[in-house]
Amino acid sequence: DAGVIQSPRHEVTEMGQEVTLRCKPISGHNSLFWYRQTMMRGLELLIYFNNNVPIDDSGMPEDRFSAKMPNASFSTLKIQPSEPRDSAVYFCASCPLGQLNEKLFFGSGTQLSVL
Amino acid sequence: GQQLNQSPQSMFIQEGEDVSMNCTSSSIFNTWLWYKQDPGEGPVLLIALYKAGELTSNGRLTAQFGITRKDSFLNISASIPSDVGIYFCAGQLSSGSARQLTFGSGTQLTVLP
Repeated sequence: DAGVIQSPRHEVTEMGQEVTLRCKPISGHNSLFWYRQTMMRGLELLIYFNNNVPIDDSGMPEDRFSAKMPNASFSTLKIQPSEPRDSAVYFCASCPLGQLNEKLFFGSGTQLSVL
Repeated sequence: GQQLNQSPQSMFIQEGEDVSMNCTSSSIFNTWLWYKQDPGEGPVLLIALYKAGELTSNGRLTAQFGITRKDSFLNISASIPSDVGIYFCAGQLSSGSARQLTFGSGTQLTVLP
């Protein structure tokens, strides 16, 4: 079975540019999460969706960040405009809704570098 | 926000040695999870713990859910080169959202041949 698929694997962009990260969750998983990983702050939850509906976006750093989930098999995380401090690895993860406890399946991540 | 104190931050060990790492928190968790992250990949779940005092094994890995529900440890026996990576603990708060985990800062493990 295919796992969580993220694209691109690497993104290098200039400050001020728009960045769009993409994620395809595991088929049948109804919950989707976006995490950011940095050396300083570790793994931080940005936002999560249940059944395509955003439930908690309190981890989104600021208005420059937005996330959408137009259907059960696709989600995007957009940064506009990007800044150097946004450089990090961004992970998408999914799990079945109704799972009694967390068993997240992570994608391989997108390494973002904003110059 | 909630914090997990994970230690040690890094370890250098000889192949064949046993390894132990732990996480502590000031809050009570109802679930403890241990993940491993290989370079360039996302974390992968190793072991999940659901009850205080629970001791669970997965091959050479053993993890325990502390009796106070505020700590957990992970042991790796007879380490091998492929054990290299970053190990994260994660906890789910008893009073928090069922969908949110708090991650520790990770333990970077290096296994020397």
